[in-house]
Amino acid sequence: SAVISQKPSRDICQRGTSLTIQCQVDSQVTMMFWYRQQPGQSLTLIATANQGSEATYESGFVIDKFPISRPNLTFSTLTVSNMSPEDSSIYLCSGVISGRADEQFFGPGTRLTVL
Amino acid sequence: DAKTTQPPSMDCAEGRAANLPCNHSTISGNEYVYWYRQIHSQGPQYIIHGLKNNETNEMASLIITEDRKSSTLILPHATLRDTAVYYCIVRIYNQGGKLIFGQGTELSVKP
Repeated sequence: SAVISQKPSRDICQRGTSLTIQCQVDSQVTMMFWYRQQPGQSLTLIATANQGSEATYESGFVIDKFPISRPNLTFSTLTVSNMSPEDSSIYLCSGVISGRADEQFFGPGTRLTVL
Repeated sequence: DAKTTQPPSMDCAEGRAANLPCNHSTISGNEYVYWYRQIHSQGPQYIIHGLKNNETNEMASLIITEDRKSSTLILPHATLRDTAVYYCIVRIYNQGGKLIFGQGTELSVKP
């Protein structure tokens, strides 16, 4: 199996600020995704992080609010911009490992609280 | 939108089999049935997947009906550590198809 790590594991931020979450995978990843999990809810896909090009966003999510970078096959960042209390969620990174298309791995998540 | 329907919650006695149902009546021919679980405060964990045949691994068994419109995940001897939310997801295999989560079933294993 693959190991996906995220930094920070949790943070408390002030309204109007931005936070960048890092995702590192210990194996090369063909596909990389970012999810949000609001309190008591299921996971919602934010976007697919594409290496070397702009991310592909799901309906309801936009690049200005959630800019994503993916400079190589093992690393990605998600920024939550101009935060409001409604952005308080767990943000999870996920990846499909090269040669293991049958399984999608998840990181432990970043718990964000916006005051 | 998620393409599966699951009961919101279930209870199971420790040591007994837990049978978690899932309806996916609109599944396409190239979509697989995947099961993940999420233990509190952790990222989702892969359990098993299948296309049309029944599958078994060290964690669970997956029974898919012949018409592929429903399936059942079986945990043969549930333990307290199996308490989690279980998600049934349909996904296109081998294209890195993204996982779209529904609401899942919250399984409580009780002593």
